[in-house]
Amino acid sequence: QVQLQESGPGLVKPSETLSLICTVSGDSVIRNGHYRAWIRQPPGKGLEWIGSLYSTGSTYSNPSLNNRVTISVDASRNQVSLSLSSVTAADTAVYYCATFAQTDAIYLWGPGTVVTVSS
Amino acid sequence: DIVLTQSPGTLSLSPGERATLSCRASQSVRSNYLAWYQQRPGQAPRLLIYGASSRATGIPDRFSGSGSGTDFTLTINRLEPEDFAVYYCQQYSRSPLTFGGGTMVDIK
Repeated sequence: QVQLQESGPGLVKPSETLSLICTVSGDSVIRNGHYRAWIRQPPGKGLEWIGSLYSTGSTYSNPSLNNRVTISVDASRNQVSLSLSSVTAADTAVYYCATFAQTDAIYLWGPGTVVTVSS
Repeated sequence: DIVLTQSPGTLSLSPGERATLSCRASQSVRSNYLAWYQQRPGQAPRLLIYGASSRATGIPDRFSGSGSGTDFTLTINRLEPEDFAVYYCQQYSRSPLTFGGGTMVDIK
């Protein structure tokens, strides 16, 4: 059974960089034809796609985040990481790791991790 | 970006009733690459419907999706207590992936 688990600091100071890790179990982090993605949900609000890493190594991010997003993979640890720079209170959210295939819906989600941006 | 508008914002119904949720896209969703998710409090979203009308694995047949182009509908027949939750539509036809604002189905 494939599982995703997010981890990282629950509290980040404004202007700093938020760093999260998604550990994949039961599957290779690089699965042919699949994306590993990050999605977030501010408190009481809807879902926002942050970015994705494809099995070829290509990365894509939401233009609304103004080039603050870096997504990378550590195949030796079976992990995908997210870095979001210059955070503000608006980046406070539950951050989810997720998986989907090309031209397919998101079929697997991690449980999410809460990140609060505050001094 | 493709903007998805869900209506109503909240739907108050009783167990056993039918729920009809709408998702309207600002432009045509290519190949009906439209999904529906259910989110219960404190949980991650769960895929219900993909390709506008195909049920995901393990999803009961009381859930059905329909529509094409810019107008899509999620129907839940005979609401069960566990169906009271928030529902989101999402398009995956064009980057960036976008979600609707959600419809909360609560108990009347």
